[in-house]
Amino acid sequence: DQQVKQNSPSLSVQEGRISILNCDYTNSMFDYFLWYKKYPAEGPTFLISISSIKDKNEDGRFTVFLNKSAKHLSLHIVPSQPGDSAVYFCAALEVAGNKLTFGGGTRVLVKP
Amino acid sequence: EPEVTQTPSHQVTQMGQEVILRCVPISNHLYFYWYRQILGQKVEFLVSFYNNEISEKSEIFDDQFSVERPDGSNFTLKIRSTKLEDSAMYFCASSTINRGQGFQETQYFGPGTRLLVL
Repeated sequence: DQQVKQNSPSLSVQEGRISILNCDYTNSMFDYFLWYKKYPAEGPTFLISISSIKDKNEDGRFTVFLNKSAKHLSLHIVPSQPGDSAVYFCAALEVAGNKLTFGGGTRVLVKP
Repeated sequence: EPEVTQTPSHQVTQMGQEVILRCVPISNHLYFYWYRQILGQKVEFLVSFYNNEISEKSEIFDDQFSVERPDGSNFTLKIRSTKLEDSAMYFCASSTINRGQGFQETQYFGPGTRLLVL
């Protein structure tokens, strides 16, 4: 049951450049989307979220874009820093729901 | 900054034994969750808990699992008779509000308990 998919398992980017992480979903009932970052041996850390009534949300170096018609969202990190090296998870919530459905994650490596 | 804490960080147990995983959610949060991640797989929802009762559970959360809020601070997950396939990282999370009331919600996760069933 792959309701949330992150098709790129890994991404390598040079420090200072942009990292673009993609996420696709199939469930039309999803109306709230979150990105989490995870370091080894730690829990997921909330990064940024977006409601389905918006198409963009920005917080510092992180911007999330939502294309509802394509059921696609992306996370942009600009500029990328070595400390951003981690696994990034896309997650979604259904209308009036509390159960997060996660994607498989994208491992990002930022090279100095 | 307030955070969710979990104990123990690691637990090794024999198949068939009972385990209790403990969590202390963020103090003003009202909603509590358990998720798990089997090695190499996605993070999966197990159960949500509000007002001293389960509000939602997944098909994974069968009769072998139970949750409890025994006092004002702890939230526990009990696995009655562990199986090999219960080996996973278990994450507790908490949030402040109910999406059913139309508000946005962020769930904050603890560091996890790595459970190994032998």
